[in-house]
Amino acid sequence: GQQVMQIPQYQHVQEGEDFTTYCNSSTTLSNIQWYKQRPGGHPVFLIQLVKSGEVKKQKRLTFQFGEAKKNSSLHITATQTTDVGTYFCALGGSQGNLIFGKGTKLSVKP
Amino acid sequence: DVKVTQSSRYLVKRTGEKVFLECVQDMDHENMFWYRQDPGLGLRLIYFSYDVKMKEKGDIPEGYSVSREKKERFSLILESASTSQTSMYLCASSYGEGFNTGELFFGEGSRLTVL
Repeated sequence: GQQVMQIPQYQHVQEGEDFTTYCNSSTTLSNIQWYKQRPGGHPVFLIQLVKSGEVKKQKRLTFQFGEAKKNSSLHITATQTTDVGTYFCALGGSQGNLIFGKGTKLSVKP
Repeated sequence: DVKVTQSSRYLVKRTGEKVFLECVQDMDHENMFWYRQDPGLGLRLIYFSYDVKMKEKGDIPEGYSVSREKKERFSLILESASTSQTSMYLCASSYGEGFNTGELFFGEGSRLTVL
């Protein structure tokens, strides 16, 4: 079945440093989504990428979809304490379902 | 705003009990999902449904069943709860077309403890 690997599992940064999480699939993807889950909260949708090589920005967040549509990344520039949480990628499955990676837990030291 | 409501935030049940987790969404979404979330394992899909009375197994359906009698309601049933089913259960819905699931809207979660 479809497999997704997300790395790193944990990332501890000093406030102001950059942060990147990576998501890799064993198969070519039709689309990929990213979610953020704050501590004690539920996952909240950030973005969906569909096109090969696509790059989208949301303020300090930059999302990329690989040319081969097998990998994706989320980069945060100059982290803030409000960025704390777990970031998940989610792959569109072959049956219309959504398969989540295990997530990257980001902690930010002020 | 889309609202996905899960009936119970916290439940404590005993081994062998039958457990019902209810989820209701108010945006006329076709797709509904049940995930469980455990530390270090991320979100794992239990069941999903793309239409009334339709259901599809996810990655970990064993020990669970679901019911979708009405479009807005998707219930997760644990026929005989076991301690291994102690977890956070998350319901989600989306307006998807074909194989494009669309953005998932999650409920607040139901934390189930089985003693």
